[in-house]
Amino acid sequence: SQQGEEDPQALSIQEGENATMNCSYKTSINNLQWYRQNSGRGLVHLILIRSNEREKHSGRLRVTLDTSKKSSSLLITASRAADTASYFCATDSGGYQKVTFGIGTKLQVIP
Amino acid sequence: GAVVSQHPSWVICKSGTSVKIECRSLDFQATTMFWYRQFPKQSLMLMATSNEGSKATYEQGVEKDKFLINHASLTLSTLTVTSAHPEDSSFYICSASGNSSYEQYFGPGTRLTVT
Repeated sequence: SQQGEEDPQALSIQEGENATMNCSYKTSINNLQWYRQNSGRGLVHLILIRSNEREKHSGRLRVTLDTSKKSSSLLITASRAADTASYFCATDSGGYQKVTFGIGTKLQVIP
Repeated sequence: GAVVSQHPSWVICKSGTSVKIECRSLDFQATTMFWYRQFPKQSLMLMATSNEGSKATYEQGVEKDKFLINHASLTLSTLTVTSAHPEDSSFYICSASGNSSYEQYFGPGTRLTVT
């Protein structure tokens, strides 16, 4: 079963705008990760946030984690056409690094 | 970053035949490898977890006799889809991780089409 659920499922924005994607999960986690997948390709790891962290930055990416609400958000600032992809959150509860993926948000950035 | 390759990138096979997909970690030792399946417009579904030198752990609903996984070395895992049927057509992605990190490094995926 899917642990994470992203919303929105699809998002279309103009280049330069910010994109915010949310992820909710059901059970306690150790870590939450965000991945990007270009169409028909493998996944690229973007950022990992641990359960004891609340916010993390990496370049134009900002991730927040609210364990009390069991939710996370991924913000991409100053979006570019190259950011067009599907974005997935993935959670793990420990043990052999097994992660469970959400259903993903399909982001389209219009030049 | 760490590099994981998959071979082949895509394969078309006839119903009833078997197909082998390779997953290699090119620049690190992967103590654990994961195999996922992704149907169009859907998320990745974990099929099995394999640790080098031991039997794979399959997720519920995944037939271990149909999807044979071998993780014979720290750099290579193989997934063999036996007696493939059209409903096995999917995008198969492997990932690998080492001892010291929760980060998984994903391969580029293999598109399987069974006719």
